[in-house]
Amino acid sequence: GQNIDQPTEMTATEGAIVQINCTYQTSGFNGLFWYQQHAGEAPTFLSYNVLDGLEEKGRFSSFLSRSKGYSYLLLKELQMKDSASYLCAVGDSNYQLIWGAGTKLIIKP
Amino acid sequence: ETGVTQTPRHLVMGMTNKKSLKCEQHLGHNAMYWYKQSAKKPLELMFVYNFKEQTENNSVPSRFSPECPNSSHLFLHLHTLQPEDSALYLCASSQERETGANVLTFGAGSRLTVL
Repeated sequence: GQNIDQPTEMTATEGAIVQINCTYQTSGFNGLFWYQQHAGEAPTFLSYNVLDGLEEKGRFSSFLSRSKGYSYLLLKELQMKDSASYLCAVGDSNYQLIWGAGTKLIIKP
Repeated sequence: ETGVTQTPRHLVMGMTNKKSLKCEQHLGHNAMYWYKQSAKKPLELMFVYNFKEQTENNSVPSRFSPECPNSSHLFLHLHTLQPEDSALYLCASSQERETGANVLTFGAGSRLTVL
């Protein structure tokens, strides 16, 4: 079957760095997405990786290793507004998105 | 208005009621989606409408009925729901291409409570 695993919850300190991991097993691979969802709000697109390596976008970076079925989202210089759920999703062979259950990130002062 | 707009934001209904959720996108996208989001569970794709056809998840009960009158509007008609249908229902749109995965733009969701 198809499966996306990510931690349920993580806690980090304001100003620090946190890495949210995502492992996947899917039938085919057409890219990996990260979305951010604040409580009561719409998920918003953060990043898309289709090739191995690190993609950097400001304070956020996303890494992909297709051979290991692994990705991580790296958040630097954490701010209180980064408290949110982070959703990992993989495009399968039919370009349909398979979603993880999300990681709730709690930032403490 | 911009983006994807969903109404109502909150809905409480009894099991015998009939109600509808509405979604409107102002992005010129050619595909629209309904997702169900339950606490601590992955997003569940319910229905997809794209420029070619409607696709649905065969596990969605018939008490959920989608309607897509045009590329900008999407409805989810609800009838005889069960308490376990209580969840956040998210609408999304994308510009679907022939190849490559699609970036979804989501609405803020309709929080449904079934009593």
